[in-house]
Amino acid sequence: DAGVIQSPRHEVTEMGQEVTLRCKPISGHDYLFWYRQTMMRGLELLIYFNNNVPIDDSGMPEDRFSAKMPNASFSTLKIQPSEPRDSAVYFCASSFLWPPEKLFFGSGTQLSVL
Amino acid sequence: KQEVTQIPAALSVPEGENLVLNCSFTDSAIYNLQWFRQDPGKGLTSLLLIQSSQREQTSGRLNASLDKSSGRSTLYIAASQPGDSATYLCAVIRNAGGTSYGKLTFGQGTILTVHP
Repeated sequence: DAGVIQSPRHEVTEMGQEVTLRCKPISGHDYLFWYRQTMMRGLELLIYFNNNVPIDDSGMPEDRFSAKMPNASFSTLKIQPSEPRDSAVYFCASSFLWPPEKLFFGSGTQLSVL
Repeated sequence: KQEVTQIPAALSVPEGENLVLNCSFTDSAIYNLQWFRQDPGKGLTSLLLIQSSQREQTSGRLNASLDKSSGRSTLYIAASQPGDSATYLCAVIRNAGGTSYGKLTFGQGTILTVHP
């Protein structure tokens, strides 16, 4: 398996634009997680899915953020409109267990909002 | 609310040294504790996992210990090498109960540099 695949690797956009981050989890993993990493706050869980259903989105910072998982092999995290404070590295991770004893991370998307 | 703290924030050592990274957590009701490695521009890679009932785990030159009652874990790296240079993060999973069950709470990490 190729692991968790995220795209794009880097995204530079202007304030107010819509940003869509993409993730393909490892096949067979029922749990998918979106994390955000910043210097100030470290790694924060934004939302996670089980069998394509959002289970806990309490970490989503505000209504500008939304996430979907239309099928078992694809998820998106959308920010609309984007703001400079959204600049961070966004990671997707997947697991086949709960609790997630073995978590597999993608390489992340470095987002810069100017 | 679970808080995870890692000390030191950064560490620079010469090659060959044995070193210890520290992790502390405020709520001892954990399911397990995990140590991850993060290389620049990369995602996290799981290194070691210690169940709450265990005291330590070993993998090669790495040894992680857990003292749940005191809320502490250490990652011991023997005979450090330049290839060990990375950020090391610990994370805990809360035990059963409440909305935090099953979620990982990460520390801020320790940036390790091993110079030749």
